[in-house]
Amino acid sequence: KQEVTQIPAALSVPEGENLVLNCSFTDSAIYNLQWFRQDPGKGLTSLLLIQSSQREQTSGRLNASLDKSSGRSTLYIAASQPGDSATYLCAVGTGANNLFFGTGTRLTVIP
Amino acid sequence: GAGVSQSPSNKVTEKGKDVELRCDPISGHTALYWYRQSLGQGLEFLIYFQGNSAPDKSGLPSDRFSAERTGGSVSTLTIQRTQQEDSAVYLCASSLARRELSEQYFGPGTRLTVT
Repeated sequence: KQEVTQIPAALSVPEGENLVLNCSFTDSAIYNLQWFRQDPGKGLTSLLLIQSSQREQTSGRLNASLDKSSGRSTLYIAASQPGDSATYLCAVGTGANNLFFGTGTRLTVIP
Repeated sequence: GAGVSQSPSNKVTEKGKDVELRCDPISGHTALYWYRQSLGQGLEFLIYFQGNSAPDKSGLPSDRFSAERTGGSVSTLTIQRTQQEDSAVYLCASSLARRELSEQYFGPGTRLTVT
């Protein structure tokens, strides 16, 4: 069964810093990997989707990379802002009809 | 355009009662998913619908849980004889037909509390 791990569980940084969130998965036979953010009491907002054939995707200050063979993905956030404070979830899509989620990294950006 | 919507946003029910949770997917999305997020735990897959195909129910935790999708659009998740361990946020998502290539878009969730 696919297992997805996110490290660290929580991260606190001062505003303006660049930061990296890590995601690892045990089964490299994936279709895609998706990064989400979740604000308290809210649903999930899709940030980036990387197909298995891709190495990275970029959107604004966000860059996600995928190394399928080693079972790793990173989400890089440049010039962090207080509005980036949220829980970030990594999820992998496999042959099953669902996404396997990590337990998330709770990010706090301090003004 | 409208995103995925869910109702109610919050539901408090007594143990033993039945509840129905509703999901309206994004128009044109043929795939629909239900997940559950319990306190301190990750998201847990429950059920998947794709068009007119038989649903993938492999994630349903017990036979008290069932779901329907009428007309390929709106879905209802039903929990019978609710238990306290059913308390969680229930999230619905939808995507385009080709799930391997498609992002899943999530609704705001229904927070269920069983007292």
